[in-house]
Amino acid sequence: DILMTQSPLSLPVTPGEPASISCKSSQSLLHDNGYNYLEWYVQRPGQSPQLLIFLGFNRASGVPDRFSGSGSGTDFTLKISRVEAEDVGIYFCMQALQIPRAFGQGTKLEIK
Amino acid sequence: EVQLLQSGGGLGQPGGSLRLSCVASGFIFKTYDMNWVRQIPGKGLEWVSGITGSGGGTYYAAPVQGRFNISRDNTKNTFFLQMNNLRADDTAVYYCAKSKFHFSETSGYAFDVWGQGAVVTVSS
Repeated sequence: DILMTQSPLSLPVTPGEPASISCKSSQSLLHDNGYNYLEWYVQRPGQSPQLLIFLGFNRASGVPDRFSGSGSGTDFTLKISRVEAEDVGIYFCMQALQIPRAFGQGTKLEIK
Repeated sequence: EVQLLQSGGGLGQPGGSLRLSCVASGFIFKTYDMNWVRQIPGKGLEWVSGITGSGGGTYYAAPVQGRFNISRDNTKNTFFLQMNNLRADDTAVYYCAKSKFHFSETSGYAFDVWGQGAVVTVSS
């Protein structure tokens, strides 16, 4: 099974400042078709998770362009260019290459 | 509006059974793979099970293999998670989730629509 490791686990950020979350997988998520099967989700307080990024860098419908995903193989990054108060929540990466799906531990973003 | 509405859950006895349901609306249900994901309160997310659009492919995480059964009724836009031989560590909030895309030998990827969650508590 593929294991996912996120860092940091806690991320205090000043509004307007950038934020970055790292996600590493125990195996490459790069498929023969050239796509990386890595997704990012956010779970805001009291809500169900929400898809942010799929295939490593594609923003889901309605996701602001201040969110961006990058990386390939085993190393991936989610960046928020300018954090806003509404970005508070727990961010999870998930590998979508194999069954069973696996999530990272989660990174709790809070506002300073 | 595209949405998933969950029902079921509640209190189950160790060794007992519970069934979760998830009713879909706003999209052509039979063409999409579906999944169950759970979350122990205050903890992370764990994928539990998935099923292809036709129902011909079903997939399970190791901790629930042989105890849980996923199924769907495409005539009623509904899919289910039958949970048998419950254990205390099955206690969690269970979410249903729709896959945006199909991917061979899996239950799809990009979980773009989620249910509201259903609390399952296993205790005597």
